[in-house]
Amino acid sequence: KAGVTQTPRYLIKTRGQQVTLSCSPISGHRSVSWYQQTPGQGLQFLFEYFSETQRNKGNFPGRFSGRQFSNSRSEMNVSTLELGDSALYLCATGLAGGNTDTQYFGPGTRLTVL
Amino acid sequence: AQSVTQPDIHITVSEGASLELRCNYSYGATPYLFWYVQSPGQGLQLLLKYFSGDTLVQGIKGFEAEFKRSQSSFNLRKPSVHWSDAAEYFCAVGAGNFGNEKLTFGTGTRLTIIP
Repeated sequence: KAGVTQTPRYLIKTRGQQVTLSCSPISGHRSVSWYQQTPGQGLQFLFEYFSETQRNKGNFPGRFSGRQFSNSRSEMNVSTLELGDSALYLCATGLAGGNTDTQYFGPGTRLTVL
Repeated sequence: AQSVTQPDIHITVSEGASLELRCNYSYGATPYLFWYVQSPGQGLQLLLKYFSGDTLVQGIKGFEAEFKRSQSSFNLRKPSVHWSDAAEYFCAVGAGNFGNEKLTFGTGTRLTIIP
């Protein structure tokens, strides 16, 4: 079974631009969660989608948004990029997010904002 | 709110020596606990998980962890480390509205192995 796929793996953008990251889940997984990882803040939860609906949301500004498609693939978008948005963005997928569910992570997208 | 504490930022052990990484959690209900490992520039790989039942859980790569409710701990252990175990280790608790779709992580412990 193929793992979680994230594209692109690396991105370089400048301040003020916007960026879209993609996550393709493991076959059969319907829950997709996004995390931001930085040296200073560690791993922080952004949001989670299930059946094309956002079910959980972390404490990030509205510049960070996401969506999920009917095939469970998810995208996250960051508008008006700031230098502090430079991070490794990880997505994790699971079956449905129940108490016995397990999150499996992709390799991440490394975003650098100049 | 739930939280996870990994008190050791960096640990150095000799190859072949035993290892214990500490994790303490704060969570009001029954915790669902995970250990993940991350190699430089990579995503997170699941080592093991605890949902219920036997408090000693076995994982991949020879790792095990013990859940102690009285101490709110979920420490990771390995009897003999290999150079390939050098990585960063994260403890996490599942805390979403519907289960484990949202993970709260500790700050991680970086493991260095010396020959």
